[in-house]
Amino acid sequence: DSGVTQTPKHLITATGQRVTLRCSPRSGDLSVYWYQQSLDQGLQFLIQYYNGEERAKGNILERFSAQQFPDLHSELNLSSLELGDSALYFCASSVGGRGQDLYGYTFGSGTRLTVV
Amino acid sequence: DQQVKQNSPSLSVQEGRISILNCDYTNSMFDYFLWYKKYPAEGPTFLISISSIKDKNEDGRFTVFLNKSAKHLSLHIVPSQPGDSAVYFCAAIETSGSRLTFGEGTQLTVNP
Repeated sequence: DSGVTQTPKHLITATGQRVTLRCSPRSGDLSVYWYQQSLDQGLQFLIQYYNGEERAKGNILERFSAQQFPDLHSELNLSSLELGDSALYFCASSVGGRGQDLYGYTFGSGTRLTVV
Repeated sequence: DQQVKQNSPSLSVQEGRISILNCDYTNSMFDYFLWYKKYPAEGPTFLISISSIKDKNEDGRFTVFLNKSAKHLSLHIVPSQPGDSAVYFCAAIETSGSRLTFGEGTQLTVNP
């Protein structure tokens, strides 16, 4: 157990629907990062929140949004889902706002989203 | 624009031999590099890292080498064990940045 909790582990939904992925960071970590891993591809950075505020943004689609709540958990909202959105979505956390914390990020086990 | 590339999707080695995984990068602003290991149905876990002020970092069976002039790093695993079979991701970060940029990963298989 890495200490980063992601729910649900699996999600199957239809095209056009909206889903919410949830992440609880490791205790004491202020930053939350979201990554997408499509089939046979590396992890693509989506967005980072630090202590409730958006810190950095990657190639996140306009149909996707995220937020970090006062208790530091984060949610990634995916709307108007398309078949191509099927992927593994990972959340990671770090103590500070930069990934150069001693051990980089700590990852959760991911949410596998399947859009049918 | 793939700033971190792992050109070998897969690598197969015999138990006890050396495994060498390679990674190239294009962004000169990267100054800290990490390797992650990922088993199926799990998230990536940190393995070893190296700062750009060093050219080598060792931790037990794992050694990472950095060649800044060639923008190349490699991970050596000696001796390789069947439990090392996993996907290995190379990642990099800029001094001023907060995001890790990942390569595509290399599937390592260590055969008994």
